[in-house]
Amino acid sequence: NAGVMQNPRHLVRRRGQEARLRCSPMKGHSHVYWYRQLPEEGLKFMVYLQKENIIDESGMPKERFSAEFPKEGPSILRIQQVVRGDSAAYFCASSPDTGGTDTQYFGPGTRLTVL
Amino acid sequence: QQQVKQSPQSLIVQKGGISIINCAYENTAFDYFPWYQQFPGKGPALLIAIRPDVSEKKEGRFTISFNKSAKQFSLHIMDSQPGDSATYFCAASVGGATNKLIFGTGTLLAVQP
Repeated sequence: NAGVMQNPRHLVRRRGQEARLRCSPMKGHSHVYWYRQLPEEGLKFMVYLQKENIIDESGMPKERFSAEFPKEGPSILRIQQVVRGDSAAYFCASSPDTGGTDTQYFGPGTRLTVL
Repeated sequence: QQQVKQSPQSLIVQKGGISIINCAYENTAFDYFPWYQQFPGKGPALLIAIRPDVSEKKEGRFTISFNKSAKQFSLHIMDSQPGDSATYFCAASVGGATNKLIFGTGTLLAVQP
């Protein structure tokens, strides 16, 4: 059973461009979480999605950031008009569909660098 | 009230020694407390987790001690090895509609040979 997959692993964007990060949860998982880790800091929750629904987006910046988890395909975290402060590692986690939804398994992350 | 406070920020332990990392919380609604291990350039990996109905949980060399009244929990790594050198994060969540994890700030552990 493959783990959580994220791509790209590294992404470089210039200020003002769009960044699109993808996450494929583990097989049998329909709960997806996105976290951001700034350099030398802990992980901060951004958004929690189930298939086709945003359940909790309390950690998402109000502007420029959006997330989706379509019925088919990976979850997407989109950052429009990136700024240098968006440079960070973005991690996706997934949890099982049945019981024990507390346990979250993390992907390897996408490291975004904004020039 | 949503914070999880972690200490120390960094820790140096000799091979074979015991590594102890502490976390404290305020929100009594938290009901799930995992510990994650992260190596440089990698994603966090779940080590061990505990719920408030038990005071201790052990898995191999890793033990969580939980003090509900003090709202504190700690990770003990017995017989620490150089391969344990990593950053360790405690976290907490409230079950229900959302299980978002609130993370501590991390502890950088270095185990010297």
